[in-house]
Amino acid sequence: SQQGEEDPQALSIQEGENATMNCSYKTSINNLQWYRQNSGRGLVHLILIRSNEREKHSGRLRVTLDTSKKSSSLLITASRAADTASYFCATDDGATNKLIFGTGTLLAVQP
Amino acid sequence: DSGVTQTPKHLITATGQRVTLRCSPRSGDLSVYWYQQSLDQGLQFLIQYYNGEERAKGNILERFSAQQFPDLHSELNLSSLELGDSALYFCASSAGGGRGYGYTFGSGTRLTVV
Repeated sequence: SQQGEEDPQALSIQEGENATMNCSYKTSINNLQWYRQNSGRGLVHLILIRSNEREKHSGRLRVTLDTSKKSSSLLITASRAADTASYFCATDDGATNKLIFGTGTLLAVQP
Repeated sequence: DSGVTQTPKHLITATGQRVTLRCSPRSGDLSVYWYQQSLDQGLQFLIQYYNGEERAKGNILERFSAQQFPDLHSELNLSSLELGDSALYFCASSAGGGRGYGYTFGSGTRLTVV
C-alpha cells in the first residue's frame, strides 16, 4: 500500500523552467524523503526533511514540509534535460522501520 | 555505482520455478531492505533486515522469503513463481536501523516470469 501520493502524475516543462511536485501522505511521520529514478534504474536519494523542519535546500532543490496538511513539495529550479526522471516521496513514520513510497511524478524536461 | 550490488541484473524464468536474488549492501550499512516495483502496484516494501535479524515486514507473499547473512549480504527467494511476480526487485541499504537515514538503492533485478 502507498502512503503518499504525488501530484501531478506527469509534468512536462522546458529547460530552464522550474518544476514543482507535491506529495500528500496519510499518517504521522518522523521524516520525509525525496528520491529520483531514471527509467528502469535504481532510486537515488535526493533530500531528507525531518518532521520538525519546514524547509530544506540542496543545490537546485528546495523541499518544504507542512505537517499540519500532511504535505510536502519538491521544487527543482532552472531545470535541465538531465533532470528528466520519476520523482518519489517516501515517508518514515519512525516506528515501523520501513520507508513507504508514493506513486511518483514523471518529469520530462524538454531541451 | 551506488555501492549496493544486486545480482543478477536480469532473470527470465518459467512459472512454478524458484529463483534467488542477491544483494550486497554498501560498506558499513547494517540494514537491508527489499522492494518490488511493478507498473500496477508501484514500489512495494517487502522486508527489512538489520544486522542479520528481520526488523520489519511489508506485503511479502508467503511464497517469498529472505535472509541476511553474517557478512551482511542478503538473499530474496521467490518460489512457485507466477506471471504476476514479474517486476523489478530492488535492494536498498542504510546505516543504523534505518530511522532518519536515506536509503542507497541498487540497480535492481528485472524478473520476467513466462
